[in-house]
Amino acid sequence: GAGVSQSPSNKVTEKGKDVELRCDPISGHTALYWYRQSLGQGLEFLIYFQGNSAPDKSGLPSDRFSAERTGGSVSTLTIQRTQQEDSAVYLCASSAGSNQNSPLHFGNGTRLTVT
Amino acid sequence: KNEVEQSPQNLTAQEGEFITINCSYSVGISALHWLQQHPGGGIVSLFMLSSGKKKHGRLIATINIQEKHSSLHITASHPRDSAVYICAVHSGGGADGLTFGKGTHLIIQP
Repeated sequence: GAGVSQSPSNKVTEKGKDVELRCDPISGHTALYWYRQSLGQGLEFLIYFQGNSAPDKSGLPSDRFSAERTGGSVSTLTIQRTQQEDSAVYLCASSAGSNQNSPLHFGNGTRLTVT
Repeated sequence: KNEVEQSPQNLTAQEGEFITINCSYSVGISALHWLQQHPGGGIVSLFMLSSGKKKHGRLIATINIQEKHSSLHITASHPRDSAVYICAVHSGGGADGLTFGKGTHLIIQP
């Protein structure tokens, strides 16, 4: 399909393990965002990639979290030494261009459960 | 850091009523998004605006840059409009992320 694709859709992991979450944005979209939504909570910004600019990492909650975007397309969010408070739905969104003129397209998210 | 406030937090209305959801922010922005999240989590972008007014079907979004305020209106509301409506703002140019409001939980009763 032509939408934002995230994988896996669900991930259960043990505390202390590392996890990788993947996002395939819409082809040609230069902006890519990662968010998370904890149970019953609002959306929390994590990181933003725009073209070849340095990413905005200001939302990453700790140094256990990192993200890469290879070739301006696919992005991977990595969480090291997972903790139970990392349990949330991790959402990816992409948009076609600059802030002002591009609507966001969201993936269906990855539901992460840390046991 | 931009502070985004939405009101009301919860709203229950009867089918057919005119609905208004408000969003205020504290720092000048480059763009504002209205998002819709249905039970089950899927998020859909309704509007992105930086000035004036936009209309799509029964939905209308307005923004007043000077007052740092936006409204989302739903005319002739229907039970399928029941969802969480989220306001999100870009606070400046360059590489920046979105700041989200906590959302407005709307229930339209038949």
